Amino acid sequence: EVQLVESGGGLVKPGGSLRLSCAASGFTFSNAWMNWVRQAPGKGLEWVGRIKSKTDGGTTDYAAPVKGRFTISRDDSKNTLYLQMGSLKTEDTAVYYCITDQRGYWGQGTLVTVSS
Amino acid sequence: QTVVTQEPSLTVSPGGTVTLTCASITGAVTSGYYPNWFQQKPGQAPRALIYSTSNKHSWTPARFSGSLLGGKAALTLSGAQPEDEAEYYCLLYYDGARVFGGGTKLTVL
Repeated sequence: EVQLVESGGGLVKPGGSLRLSCAASGFTFSNAWMNWVRQAPGKGLEWVGRIKSKTDGGTTDYAAPVKGRFTISRDDSKNTLYLQMGSLKTEDTAVYYCITDQRGYWGQGTLVTVSS
Repeated sequence: QTVVTQEPSLTVSPGGTVTLTCASITGAVTSGYYPNWFQQKPGQAPRALIYSTSNKHSWTPARFSGSLLGGKAALTLSGAQPEDEAEYYCLLYYDGARVFGGGTKLTVL
């Protein structure tokens, strides 16, 4: 059974940093392309970024609102995906989800609140 | 500018049939956009229903089906049930990016 468990969310001040983790199990994580997606309160889903498998180059792509501030990485030895968020803004407040690129499996999400 | 568009809201009668669509500003949606469909109920995480245009997950009820229709990706619900009332999102794969539609609020009434 595929499981994705996000963690690391919390309250952070504007301009601050936070690192989210996504622990994966039930599939071959090292072969998977992975995404981060977010949902602001009462809003729709927004794609944040994607990382390819190392076999496919391990490269990343980001949505315009987060490019240059957020970094996606992976540790295949730990079956874990990361989202390093910096220069946080109030508009980054959202539930953050990790999802597989293939078949779209989702975690339960972790809430990030950016507020002074 | 919205890249991927969905109907903001639709209503279907119990037992009825409804089709939700997903259009791209770039032109016709093809299988190369790997359309995905997700269902989200209030207070819950989204759940995948359809991937790569028409493939179902093991938990996807048989009454849901995915297709390409008139240059758009489509999600058809045949025999709507009250528990199908939810927000539905499509996701399209572009080179270097993924883009969600704005979502369709489906009411079963």
